[in-house]
Amino acid sequence: DGGITQSPKYLFRKEGQNVTLSCEQNLNHDAMYWYRQDPGQGLRLIYYSQIVNDFQKGDIAEGYSVSREKKESFPLTVTSAQKNPTAFYLCASSIADRRDTQYFGPGTRLTVL
Amino acid sequence: DAKTTQPTSMDCAEGRAANLPCNHSTISGNEYVYWYRQIHSQGPQYIIHGLKNNETNEMASLIISEDRKSSTLILPHATLRDTAVYYCIVRVAAGANNLFFGTGTRLTVIP
Repeated sequence: DGGITQSPKYLFRKEGQNVTLSCEQNLNHDAMYWYRQDPGQGLRLIYYSQIVNDFQKGDIAEGYSVSREKKESFPLTVTSAQKNPTAFYLCASSIADRRDTQYFGPGTRLTVL
Repeated sequence: DAKTTQPTSMDCAEGRAANLPCNHSTISGNEYVYWYRQIHSQGPQYIIHGLKNNETNEMASLIISEDRKSSTLILPHATLRDTAVYYCIVRVAAGANNLFFGTGTRLTVIP
C-alpha cells in the first residue's frame, strides 16, 4: 500500500536532548513537508522540500533541522534550541506542483519532560 | 487566500447525510475550495476539492454555490468513523507551500 509512515507514534525525551522524527513515503512524491500542531490549533509549517537535497524554512523553523538525502525520506530533528518542543508533528507529501493536495502521515506526538 | 467561516460543531445521526457548510464570500476567480478532515490524533486527510462545478468522489460530494461564495461538503451516509474536524480551505492551486487550516467544524456522528 502506498502512503506515508511516521515513527514512532509517541516519543518522550528529556529536556536538552536532540530527537529525530522519521518520515518515509512510497508515493513517489517530490515534495515533502513538516508541520507542527499544538492542542486546539491549526498546523504550522516548519520545513518543506520540493526536491532531493533541497529544503526551505517554513514559518517556524527555529530550533529544527531537516535533511533530504533520499526522495522517500525527510527526517526532522528537534534540537535543544527549540524552546517549546512538546507538540504533535505531522509529515506530508505531494506531487511537486500540487502542494494544494497534500497527503499526511499519522503523526508523532513528542513530549519533552 | 480567502477567509472561510465554518460552524464550530455539528452533530449527525449515524446513517444520515452530514451537510457541512462553509462560507467564503471573498473567494476570487482562481481560488479552489478544498476539504480536509482530521480524526483525533491522526494526520489530516484530503477529501475533495473543486473550482465551480459540483464534485463527487468515493468519500463525499462538494456542492459549490453559483456565486461561489459558499459551499457544502456532503457525507451521504455518515458513520461513526466520520467523526472528525472538517476543514474548508480556499486557495489558489499553485499557492503557498503550507496549507492553512482554520478552526474547522467538529462533526460528531451519533449512534
